[in-house]
Amino acid sequence: GESVGLHLPTLSVQEGDNSIINCAYSNSASDYFIWYKQESGKGPQFIIDIRSNMDKRQGQRVTVLLNKTVKHLSLQIAATQPGDSAVYFCAENLAEGTGRRALTFGSGTRLQVQP
Amino acid sequence: GAVVSQHPSWVICKSGTSVKIECRSLDFQATTMFWYRQFPKQSLMLMATSNEGSKATYEQGVEKDKFLINHASLTLSTLTVTSAHPEDSSFYICSAKRTGRDEQFFGPGTRLTVL
Repeated sequence: GESVGLHLPTLSVQEGDNSIINCAYSNSASDYFIWYKQESGKGPQFIIDIRSNMDKRQGQRVTVLLNKTVKHLSLQIAATQPGDSAVYFCAENLAEGTGRRALTFGSGTRLQVQP
Repeated sequence: GAVVSQHPSWVICKSGTSVKIECRSLDFQATTMFWYRQFPKQSLMLMATSNEGSKATYEQGVEKDKFLINHASLTLSTLTVTSAHPEDSSFYICSAKRTGRDEQFFGPGTRLTVL
């Protein structure tokens, strides 16, 4: 999908609170989804991924939820820390062997953690 | 493991000159690499898919004669911005994909400024 606008939506949370970042994806044929964290001036950093045969996956302090019915993806960060401040992107892809293998990025959400 | 490097990390050039950006997978072989461009406060936009030993596949609207891509080995892809103009100033990011795997690993990006 195309990125839109010049202003990233911003989520502001207090240190220690839980954060939930949402993403709507566009391609119903996508079956692999990834969350990336991008700090200013750096490349995207892999956080967690999930395949379409799952609806939830947990990592260290992070959980990804997938709702294929409404094409919605969310990233939950527990006990948010100042170091979590960054822009978060969801990305979708068709699985290996199905043709298109490039990622399509969402428009991003800026997470600001207040100390 | 799965480290991707880019060189240079930033470059300033005069309008009309050409700039080459290198993307290397340091500890794995990548038959496919991707080149993205990111403008300030926007998401990553795919420019082209680079396949080792074959011609790159360009996204709609990306001029193949202006953005030359060469993927001569399993660990190196290069992007050359020819006759650069100020509107080409952007953050260029590559990613590399392991053969047979879905995960993509991103480089740290290259900041191009064209005066």
